[in-house]
Amino acid sequence: AIQMTQSPSSLSASVGDRVTITCRSSQGIKNDLGWYQQKPGKAPKLLIYAASSLQSGVPSRFSGSGSGTDFTLTISSLQPEDFATYYCLQDYDYPLTFGPGTKVDIK
Amino acid sequence: QVQLQESGPGLVKPSETLSLSCTVSGGSISTYYWTWIRQPPGKGLEWIGYIYYTGNTKYNPSLKSRVTISLDTSKNQFSLKLSSVTAADTAVYYCARRVAVRPVYAFDIWGQGTMVTVSS
Repeated sequence: AIQMTQSPSSLSASVGDRVTITCRSSQGIKNDLGWYQQKPGKAPKLLIYAASSLQSGVPSRFSGSGSGTDFTLTISSLQPEDFATYYCLQDYDYPLTFGPGTKVDIK
Repeated sequence: QVQLQESGPGLVKPSETLSLSCTVSGGSISTYYWTWIRQPPGKGLEWIGYIYYTGNTKYNPSLKSRVTISLDTSKNQFSLKLSSVTAADTAVYYCARRVAVRPVYAFDIWGQGTMVTVSS
């Protein structure tokens, strides 16, 4: 199975900060990577697909980049509603696997 | 607007079979991939498997021997059965729709999730 890692596992940031989360796969996955946001008690929400494509309705402050094994999710200016846990997911090979998550909380 | 809703028992005894259903409203189940994902309390997400609208299935090897996902187009539902459960199967279970967003796939619609506890 393809292993996904994320860094950092958690971070504290302030409103308005630029935040970058990294996801790495144990083997190349081209651009078959998505980013999901999960708030406590809620289902995950799709933010980014194909590594860099913004899902409809998602604010443009979210962006993704990368291909192969290294990917990043960037929030250009953190908003109060962005405090959540972020997961990457590889959809290149089965079993589909998620990263362990990055929790973004308020500094 | 398509919505998904999980249903089923919130408590299952060890060694028994966990059974959940996901009802699709606002759209037809006769397309796309229909997926189950779970999340143990305080932990990350685990893909369980999917069923394609044609009936083809794919399961996570870590659960494959215990999992069955089926489709009922007459009810616009798909279901999960997980046999021989243990406390390790305690989790929030989500159903989700996997769609092709060329050239990849993504889970674009999720149910709200249902908590299942395995305990005697």
